[in-house]
Amino acid sequence: DAKTTQPPSMDCAEGRAANLPCNHSTISGNEYVYWYRQIHSQGPQYIIHGLKNNETNEMASLIITEDRKSSTLILPHATLRDTAVYYCISPSQETSGSRLTFGEGTQLTVNP
Amino acid sequence: GAVVSQHPSRVICKSGTSVKIECRSLDFQATTMFWYRQFPKKSLMLMATSNEGSKATYEQGVEKDKFLINHASLTLSTLTVTSAHPEDSSFYICSASTGPTSYNEQFFGPGTRLTVL
Repeated sequence: DAKTTQPPSMDCAEGRAANLPCNHSTISGNEYVYWYRQIHSQGPQYIIHGLKNNETNEMASLIITEDRKSSTLILPHATLRDTAVYYCISPSQETSGSRLTFGEGTQLTVNP
Repeated sequence: GAVVSQHPSRVICKSGTSVKIECRSLDFQATTMFWYRQFPKKSLMLMATSNEGSKATYEQGVEKDKFLINHASLTLSTLTVTSAHPEDSSFYICSASTGPTSYNEQFFGPGTRLTVL
């Protein structure tokens, strides 16, 4: 898996955009970037994934730099329920199955 | 969306007993299921990967005789913690996917909190 680096914590005001960065400078050409989040005492939840193009779904947007060495997850209008640990993962396509290796992630706290 | 359930959500047991945790994919067939363990304020650690009808693949350092995994059908996998000890107390989470593809989207269960007294 490509090593990913995320800030340990971030704060965001309710209603504002939350921009969560992730560095993955060792990513190879066929490795995707996945984002999951885990609300306290729950199982992780898939958010979004991408390869090289920017992606958007009902939950978030994913912006991947042209050199693919970093990406940013954007929650356009953060709510209190978005408080969670956000994980950026880049699994190796050479490993078996859909194996995910979770790092420490970023604890996002959305403040009222 | 795809739903994965776990049962029980919480379990308290005495040291030396065995505990079985069930993981079910409710609305899709999961050819591959994963079991994770999470200690307080720590990240998820993958314990094993199981494919329906075959033996589970355990991560390094995970005792296969202690953590028995069965994936007998496309919708059910079980994790049995045998001869549980207090150090096995943890949050156990399963996930399921439709199999090895270029998309690693996994659907996670809500987790099972195990407390061993």
